[in-house]
Amino acid sequence: DQQVKQNSPSLSVQEGRISILNCDYTNSMFDYFLWYKKYPAEGPTFLISISSIKDKNEDGRFTVFLNKSAKHLSLHIVPSQPGDSAVYFCAASARVNDMRFGAGTRLTVKP
Amino acid sequence: DTGVSQDPRHKITKRGQNVTFRCDPISEHNRLYWYRQTLGQGPEFLTYFQNEAQLEKSRLLSDRFSAERPKGSFSTLEIQRTEQGDSAMYLCASSLTGGDQHFGDGTRLSIL
Repeated sequence: DQQVKQNSPSLSVQEGRISILNCDYTNSMFDYFLWYKKYPAEGPTFLISISSIKDKNEDGRFTVFLNKSAKHLSLHIVPSQPGDSAVYFCAASARVNDMRFGAGTRLTVKP
Repeated sequence: DTGVSQDPRHKITKRGQNVTFRCDPISEHNRLYWYRQTLGQGPEFLTYFQNEAQLEKSRLLSDRFSAERPKGSFSTLEIQRTEQGDSAMYLCASSLTGGDQHFGDGTRLSIL
């Protein structure tokens, strides 16, 4: 059962522009959400998280927005840089133990 | 480097053989997780430990799979009588209680 969905397998953005990666979830019990970045041949690297009591969390160029009523979250990267090119996974958990991941979105930032 | 370490990075074996993977978590982390990732999918949760206790197992973890964390530090994941469908990347992660999970680079298993 796909409880976390990333419907865009890929996204291409010009350097300096905004990248917006989207994620939808179905389980209303999820209360903690994370984004991970993954380079080839490496494990996922934690990027940013948000708890369900917030609707926005910002860390430098990265901002995560949470819309609980729509069961939707998004990751904004601005300005995008070529080094941001990677696969981005959205993850959600009902407790901070058992995470469910989306299938990932491959971001390509073109110079 | 004090990140999560997994060994081996790659394992190629014939169907029916047993394989064992090792994960060394970040030293102060009390929780350790195993995930499996197949091509085009995100990581799927398999099991997790708090210290040496295995607290949760996914239904994905069939009887052929067993995980241990005998002293609450490193963990091993064993797959017995491997099948073609076991080919995947096996990821280990660790965290403090309530903290964010940090992943190793994974062990890629290929079944011939």
